[in-house]
Amino acid sequence: DIQMTQSPSSLSASVGDTVTITCRASQSLATYLNWYQQKPGKAPQLLIYGTFTLQSGVPSRFSGSGSGTHFTLTIRSLQAEDFATYYCQQSHSSPPTFGQGTNVEMK
Amino acid sequence: EVQLVQSGAEMKKPGESLKISCEGSGYNFPTYWIAWVRLMPGKGLEWMGIIFPDDSDTRYSPSFQGHVTISADKSINTAYLQWSGLLASDSAVYYCARSYSSGWDTPIFDFWGQGTLVTVSS
Repeated sequence: DIQMTQSPSSLSASVGDTVTITCRASQSLATYLNWYQQKPGKAPQLLIYGTFTLQSGVPSRFSGSGSGTHFTLTIRSLQAEDFATYYCQQSHSSPPTFGQGTNVEMK
Repeated sequence: EVQLVQSGAEMKKPGESLKISCEGSGYNFPTYWIAWVRLMPGKGLEWMGIIFPDDSDTRYSPSFQGHVTISADKSINTAYLQWSGLLASDSAVYYCARSYSSGWDTPIFDFWGQGTLVTVSS
């Protein structure tokens, strides 16, 4: 299985900050990398797929980059509704695997 | 509007059987893969397996093969996850999720159910 490692596991930030979350894969994914946001007690929501493409309805302050084994999710001008846990997921090889999550909490 | 609605929380004893459900609406249910994903505290999300309701083609993660059964009834737009002998370690939240990718092995989960909490305790 492809191992996905996110960093940091948690971070504290303030409204208006720019936040970057990193996801590293144990082998190359090309650009088969997706990002999800999960709020407490809610289902995950797709934010970005194929490394770069914003899912419909996702604000443009979210962006993704990377390729191969190194990927990043950037949130510019963090809003109150962005405090949540973020997961990366590879869709390159079966079984699909997720990172362990990054909890973005309010400073 | 695409929706996946899951059955409610369950409390079971070790060794008991359980079947939870996921009903889709707002799209052509048979023609999209539906996956089951486990969330355990401190462990993140784990893909368990996936089914194509139109022909019930089913694939499992090696980690879950043999312990769970995934099925679907396309006539009522519903997918299922079942256990024949629950373990305490099966206590978790289980999500169904639609994959909009055409390949079972390259899933992108664009819609999710609300989750079903399963608690297994003696």
